[in-house]
Amino acid sequence: RKEVEQDPGPFNVPEGATVAFNCTYSNSASQSFFWYRQDCRKEPKLLMSVYSSGNEDGRFTAQLNRASQYISLLIRDSKLSDSATYLCVVGTGTASKLTFGTGTRLQVTL
Amino acid sequence: GAGVSQSPSNKVTEKGKDVELRCDPISGHTALYWYRQSLGQGLEFLIYFQGNSAPDKSGLPSDRFSAERTGGSVSTLTIQRTQQEDSAVYLCASSLSGVYGYTFGSGTRLTVV
Repeated sequence: RKEVEQDPGPFNVPEGATVAFNCTYSNSASQSFFWYRQDCRKEPKLLMSVYSSGNEDGRFTAQLNRASQYISLLIRDSKLSDSATYLCVVGTGTASKLTFGTGTRLQVTL
Repeated sequence: GAGVSQSPSNKVTEKGKDVELRCDPISGHTALYWYRQSLGQGLEFLIYFQGNSAPDKSGLPSDRFSAERTGGSVSTLTIQRTQQEDSAVYLCASSLSGVYGYTFGSGTRLTVV
């Protein structure tokens, strides 16, 4: 079983739609959680951290369910510029390496 | 510098040659990581440096791969006797701590011909 699993997609949605991605992780000792965004042929960039109580940043909402070991990302009012691959990322320990999922591809269309 | 700097941005080399990839992390970041990403694939962890601790080399795919970090700052990833399967984008990242996430450099695209 992969340490971090994501549906690869692609998710094709029209502008203005709401879309949600889920991710599961296998290590119950994981302590830090993130969503990264990666544009084609670019490096991954931190989108947002994920906190236990859930957190929101503009149109983006992230949630963590420790009991079920999954993380979600909700994007409201999708924009064309949201088209990218979204990487679910999990860390174990205070200063250790992060494990990246293989990503979910989102394509927002007119 | 303001971000993580990697050089060269592109490297084409002949099979069997050695290559060196350089990473200059964000000033003050104690943690430095190397990952690679093959075309259409996810990020594969290679090696991790944290301060003066021994590096975590658990992701290095073979003994042809090595890395060092001098003075707790700049890091060099060396691939000896390159093979075609080494072709990938090699990404370096730095962090104050894994709990804050990483900042990636723009990568070195390595092509072995």
